Amino acid sequence: SQTIHQWPATLVQPVGSPLSLECTVEGTSNPNLYWYRQAAGRGLQLLFYSVGIGQISSEVPQNLSASRPQDRQFILSSKKLLLSDSGFYLCAYTGRGETQYFGPGTRLLVL
Amino acid sequence: RKEVEQDPGPFNVPEGATVAFNCTYSNSASQSFFWYRQDCRKEPKLLMSVYSSGNEDGRFTAQLNRASQYISLLIRDSKLSDSATYLCVVEDMRSGSARQLTFGSGTQLTVLP
Repeated sequence: SQTIHQWPATLVQPVGSPLSLECTVEGTSNPNLYWYRQAAGRGLQLLFYSVGIGQISSEVPQNLSASRPQDRQFILSSKKLLLSDSGFYLCAYTGRGETQYFGPGTRLLVL
Repeated sequence: RKEVEQDPGPFNVPEGATVAFNCTYSNSASQSFFWYRQDCRKEPKLLMSVYSSGNEDGRFTAQLNRASQYISLLIRDSKLSDSATYLCVVEDMRSGSARQLTFGSGTQLTVLP
């Protein structure tokens, strides 16, 4: 069966510090991968998506970047966090002919 | 105008009640439609897809009206466990075959004993 993992589950970071969030998918090959952010009390915003290794599309200009070093690994990064980067970060995947399934998410608080 | 609009609620209903959520979307070329459920501090989970002919899954019925760009979700005989935020979701295809989901902000439902 297919599963999706994210870590860490929660993170508290000071402003200006770097960030690295990881997402891995099991049980499927060549998935499309997505990073979303959900700010408190707001809807999900698509940040990045990837259709293959090394292929990243950015949806909104921001302080974050994404990378896909392996087929089933998706990483969200920042060199210097801002207060506005706080939120609930969700990774999602689709295989062929499927809708999106989400990982458990990472709660990031930037202080 | 938001791409996907929902009444944020909250909807507070007694157990056993019937409750309906509505959603409108702006992109007439949108291809697929879904309702997701999100429990507090958890990830969204697919509740059901929405088809033009309407579809039912137990106590849940979803309807799509493409002409009006309107989606609905009906929950009958509400249970305490139905308490959650319900997200209206519209899907479009992006470049490179990536499926892009656009989420509404969600409608909060609380079922009261």
